[in-house]
Amino acid sequence: DAGVTQSPTHLIKTRGQHVTLRCSPISGHKSVSWYQQVLGQGPQFIFQYYEKEERGRGNFPDRFSARQFPNYSSELNVNALLLGDSALYLCASSLKGGTLDTQYFGPGTRLTVL
Amino acid sequence: QKEVEQDPGPLSVPEGAIVSLNCTYSNSAFQYFMWYRQYSRKGPELLMYTYSSGNKEDGRFTAQVDKSSKYISLFIRDSQPSDSATYLCAIRSLIQGAQKLVFGQGTRLTINP
Repeated sequence: DAGVTQSPTHLIKTRGQHVTLRCSPISGHKSVSWYQQVLGQGPQFIFQYYEKEERGRGNFPDRFSARQFPNYSSELNVNALLLGDSALYLCASSLKGGTLDTQYFGPGTRLTVL
Repeated sequence: QKEVEQDPGPLSVPEGAIVSLNCTYSNSAFQYFMWYRQYSRKGPELLMYTYSSGNKEDGRFTAQVDKSSKYISLFIRDSQPSDSATYLCAIRSLIQGAQKLVFGQGTRLTINP
């Protein structure tokens, strides 16, 4: 079985631009969570999606948004990019996103903002 | 105060040594504690998780939780060069009904042959 997949692997953008990152969860998983990992730090929770609804948001501005599709894949969108948005963006999938579910991480998308 | 604190290292030990990795946390309500391993340019991979206090062993790895002191540890016995990675402690928390993982900073570990 394929694990969590993310695309692209890496990309470079300039300040003020917009970016879209994609994630496909493990087959059968209905919840996707997004995390930001700045170099040298642990991942930070951005938000979780379950059944196409946002459920829980961390301390991130509204420039960060996402959506989840009927096949449970997800897109993370970041508007008006700042230099500080440079990070590894991780997608994690779980069965329902509930308290007891294990989250499985993808390889991440490395975003560089110049 | 950060919810989870972890010594970032780096930590370098010879092959075969016993490695001890540690984290502290602030909220006594936390119940689920996890250790993830992250190789360079990869996503975190779940190593072990424990519920409440006590020890859990899996091969060369032992996870330990001391809720009285809010301290969690991961021990690696007979360390191998393939264990070289960043180790992240994490705690399961709930936010608006969703599970979020709160991670420590990560400890970068190198096992020297």
